Amino acid sequence: EPEVTQTPSHQVTQMGQEVILRCVPISNHLYFYWYRQILGQKVEFLVSFYNNEISEKSEIFDDQFSVERPDGSNFTLKIRSTKLEDSAMYFCASRHTSGRDYNEQFFGPGTRLTVL
Amino acid sequence: QQQVKQSPQSLIVQKGGISIINCAYENTAFDYFPWYQQFPGKGPALLIAIRPDVSEKKEGRFTISFNKSAKQFSLHIMDSQPGDSATYFCAATLTGTASKLTFGTGTRLQVTL
Repeated sequence: EPEVTQTPSHQVTQMGQEVILRCVPISNHLYFYWYRQILGQKVEFLVSFYNNEISEKSEIFDDQFSVERPDGSNFTLKIRSTKLEDSAMYFCASRHTSGRDYNEQFFGPGTRLTVL
Repeated sequence: QQQVKQSPQSLIVQKGGISIINCAYENTAFDYFPWYQQFPGKGPALLIAIRPDVSEKKEGRFTISFNKSAKQFSLHIMDSQPGDSATYFCAATLTGTASKLTFGTGTRLQVTL
């Protein structure tokens, strides 16, 4: 069964450093998302991406964040200068744009980001 | 107006019992309400979903009840099993757009033997 994959599974970084989180969405999906989950809290939407551009972003997704689809398979989230409060689990998700189950978002296993 | 409120925060149910988790939403434009199941160290996985044109949807032991006028929906897990022990999130979205999911705060379910 196709699945969303994410790398790395755990990233430790120093405050102020740049990090890039990587995702490989399901191959025939066209909508891509990043969500984050601070430990013990709910999952929060960060950004959605369609047709090579951001379709919607949340207040959390400020100028320190950017997303990119550098090739036909990868989808990345970059945090330019990490802060302590960026420590969280980051989930990538993808979905179809048509078909019976087109609303279902498939989530990857997440990348745990720890900012020291 | 985008909030989805979920209760209880945690739930302990005996094996074979019924687990009930409740959610309430504010935005009447939401038109798709999924429930996600999350095991430790894993991403959320879709369990079951409903649209507001029906009041109930059942898939195996899992049932969503939907009350449009009250803006509430709930997940019922019948014959709860230890393998159901996980965190459950309700969510809501407006389809036909970017369809970002607005999640509830989660319910940690423990099913005891």
